[in-house]
This record gives sequence, structure tokens and C-alpha cells, in this order.
Amino acid sequence: GAVVSQHPSWVICKSGTSVKIECRSLDFQATTMFWYRQFPKQSLMLMATSNEGSKATYEQGVEKDKFLINHASLTLSTLTVTSAHPEDSSFYICSADRVFLTEAFFGQGTRLTVV
Amino acid sequence: QKEVEQNSGPLSVPEGAIASLNCTYSDRVSQSFFWYRQYSGKSPELIMSIYSNGDKEDGRFTAQLNKASQYVSLLIRDSQPSDSATYLCAVNENSGTYKYIFGTGTRLKVLA
Repeated sequence: GAVVSQHPSWVICKSGTSVKIECRSLDFQATTMFWYRQFPKQSLMLMATSNEGSKATYEQGVEKDKFLINHASLTLSTLTVTSAHPEDSSFYICSADRVFLTEAFFGQGTRLTVV
Repeated sequence: QKEVEQNSGPLSVPEGAIASLNCTYSDRVSQSFFWYRQYSGKSPELIMSIYSNGDKEDGRFTAQLNKASQYVSLLIRDSQPSDSATYLCAVNENSGTYKYIFGTGTRLKVLA
């Protein structure tokens, strides 16, 4: 099956710094990628839809200036958490959409801890 | 607000028994339905997808869809301790994209 690789798998950063998370589709071109956040014992919440070559679409309540998304190629989308705060600590997961797939494939997830 | 609802559990079943997981959704135009398994600290992995009313079987797993009643279920036969995980129901709100709405998940415990 299709493979989506997410990096890093975990990161610890200081409050106020920025963190970049990468999501790559390894064996297919992904015109659309999705970024989710999951807090402990809660479900996945869609943050934004990343579209290759155009601006990302953010869900209601998600600050676009804080969570910067770049989808510069058909195989890579990045999520940058700017000026991170402890409340941004969460599990961030990306998924990739290939046009003719019948389901999306998820990356391994990134555990972000802001101290 | 489009919603997908699941009982959070935990649902405890003995090893070898059938585990039944249920999910209801609010958006009548939903076309695609998915069950994902998520182990603690890991990313979700796809178990089953179903698009038409009725049953779909894959090994020990059977997904059931009833669009009129807006529910989808997952049966796990011969449950194993390794099946212990959180099971997420997901609904694709538009058949043209894969923007999922996830349920909160049901935690399954299979007791050895």
C-alpha cells in the first residue's frame, strides 16, 4: 500500500520557539494532504487541508498564522508550529490523499512537547 | 455541525469472543465509511472501508453499513488480546475528497 512518512516522530522544544514537521508521500504524488491534532484520549481533529501549489484551508478555530502549512511539491507538506506554547503539546498526524485512492494514508505521527 | 458518535468504552470481551463496535453519523450525504485501529501513541491504521449498504467481510473483521439508519458497525470475530486498541470510526463527508470526520473512538479490551 501507499506509504506516508512523517518526521520527526517526536520533538521537545522550548516555549516560544518554532517547530517544523514534515509529511512525505513516498510512492505516490499527493495533491492533497491533511493535518490533524490529537490530544490525549481524544479523537483526531482536522486542523487544515494542504493543497499542492495553493494556500491551505484551515478549519474553524485553527490559527493560520500560528500553524503554517507549506505544500510546495506533490510529495511534501510541512507544518510549522510557530511560537510554540505548552498548550500546543499534542500528537500531530498527517494524511495524504491520492486522487484515485479510496482511502487516505496516515503518517506515523509526531509527538510534540513544549516545555 | 456534522458529527460521528461512538461509545467511548472500554468494551471488554473475552478472548475468542465477538466484539461489536458501533458508530452513528449525522450527515446523510456521507458516502464513504472507514474503521481505523489506533494503538496508544501510534497513528491510526485502516482496518476496513465500506461504501454500500450491507456487510463487508475481511478475515476476522466484518463492517456493516445501514445508510437509512445512519449507522456503521464493526464486528471482530475470534477476538485476540492483540486486538486491544481504540477503534475510530471515520466518515468522508464528500466523496470527492478524503476529509474525514472522526468519532471519538471506542476502546476495546480483549481479556486473555
